[in-house]
Amino acid sequence: DAGITQSPRHKVTETGTPVTLRCHQTENHRYMYWYRQDPGHGLRLIHYSYGVKDTDKGEVSDGYSVSRSKTEDFLLTLESATSSQTSVYFCAIRKNKDNEQFFGPGTRLTVL
Amino acid sequence: GIQVEQSPPDLILQEGANSTLRCNFSDSVNNLQWFHQNPWGQLINLFYIPSGTKQNGRLSATTVATERYSLLYISSSQTTDSGVYFCADGSGNTGKLIFGQGTTLQVKP
Repeated sequence: DAGITQSPRHKVTETGTPVTLRCHQTENHRYMYWYRQDPGHGLRLIHYSYGVKDTDKGEVSDGYSVSRSKTEDFLLTLESATSSQTSVYFCAIRKNKDNEQFFGPGTRLTVL
Repeated sequence: GIQVEQSPPDLILQEGANSTLRCNFSDSVNNLQWFHQNPWGQLINLFYIPSGTKQNGRLSATTVATERYSLLYISSSQTTDSGVYFCADGSGNTGKLIFGQGTTLQVKP
């Protein structure tokens, strides 16, 4: 158990609505990541954080923003959800200097 | 950026059989990991193996960094081994993981 929780675990929303997904860790690791998983694409990095208020973009960041005001929480926001953002979203933490990453249980998001 | 290719894409085994999954990289290997995604969607860490060989029960992995590939061996497969196996490598100081497309394994009783 890597001490990572994600909420909500499932969400159905409508196109154009804002959505915020939360990742919470209990071990005060510095690095946190958001990935999305889609059929045919594997997992792809959306955004990551290397400390409180320190974030950067990944390879599929368009349409997403993130915030990290506390070490333990990393929020992913879809300002105006679109059907192309229907996906499973995983949060990960980097536990040690060797870059071994551990993943949360995932959030399944459906945008109608 | 680095490209990660996994083979085979799909594999069907009878319970008790052995298998080898392969991961090829287009660039040098830095922080290679193997994961198992079970049928419930959970990503489980199997190995952190930037080089060398590791074993954990019926599973073992070998990474040959100089030749840019890694192998995952599953011996005496069980139905609970079914799912998708991913390899991924972390790049640079940020540690962003680049994933392969996965190998879908089905173990039949």
